Amino acid sequence: AQSVTQLGSHVSVSEGALVLLRCNYSSSVPPYLFWYVQYPNQGLQLLLKYTTGATLVKGINGFEAEFKKSETSFHLTKPSAHMSDAAEYFCAAQGGSEKLVFGKGTKLTVNP
Amino acid sequence: DTAVSQTPKYLVTQMGNDKSIKCEQNLGHDTMYWYKQDSKKFLKIMFSYNNKELIINETVPNRFSPKSPDKAHLNLHINSLELGDSAVYFCASSPNSPSRLPYNEQFFGPGTRLTVL
Repeated sequence: AQSVTQLGSHVSVSEGALVLLRCNYSSSVPPYLFWYVQYPNQGLQLLLKYTTGATLVKGINGFEAEFKKSETSFHLTKPSAHMSDAAEYFCAAQGGSEKLVFGKGTKLTVNP
Repeated sequence: DTAVSQTPKYLVTQMGNDKSIKCEQNLGHDTMYWYKQDSKKFLKIMFSYNNKELIINETVPNRFSPKSPDKAHLNLHINSLELGDSAVYFCASSPNSPSRLPYNEQFFGPGTRLTVL
């Protein structure tokens, strides 16, 4: 069965520091991959997605992610964290079935 | 204009009551979903409808019954509410049936926080 693992339920960075949120997936077929962000008391918003083509995907708010098939990873990065990036981040994968499977989420805290 | 809207935003009720949550999308999408997010933020799909037809029905107690009067609306009715039903319920929609569109990009509503006392 398809699964998504997000390493680290909590990540804390200083403002201006690199953000790295890890996501690994298991899928028997090449997956489609997504990162969603959830700000407090809000719904999920798509940050970026990988479907086909270039493996480095750029999203909104300066985030990007790289699909690495050999490592079954889709880690999310941002060169310089901003206070407004504090939120819950979800990695999701769609494999051979229509279901989108979500990871358990990573809460990002940005310290001034 | 709100793309995916849910009402109510907050719902506080007693155990044993019956309640409904409504969802509407104005994106012209064919597929709609209900998710449950527990206190640990874990998201779990409950149901999915495509053009008013049920296509995903996860292992959910039959106290939960979705209803899709048209493809722009997907409501969730919950009978005999239990303490464990307390959660945030999200509605989402996607442009096409997942079996036709290769990838399933979903658009989420703001959520309904259900508290059962």
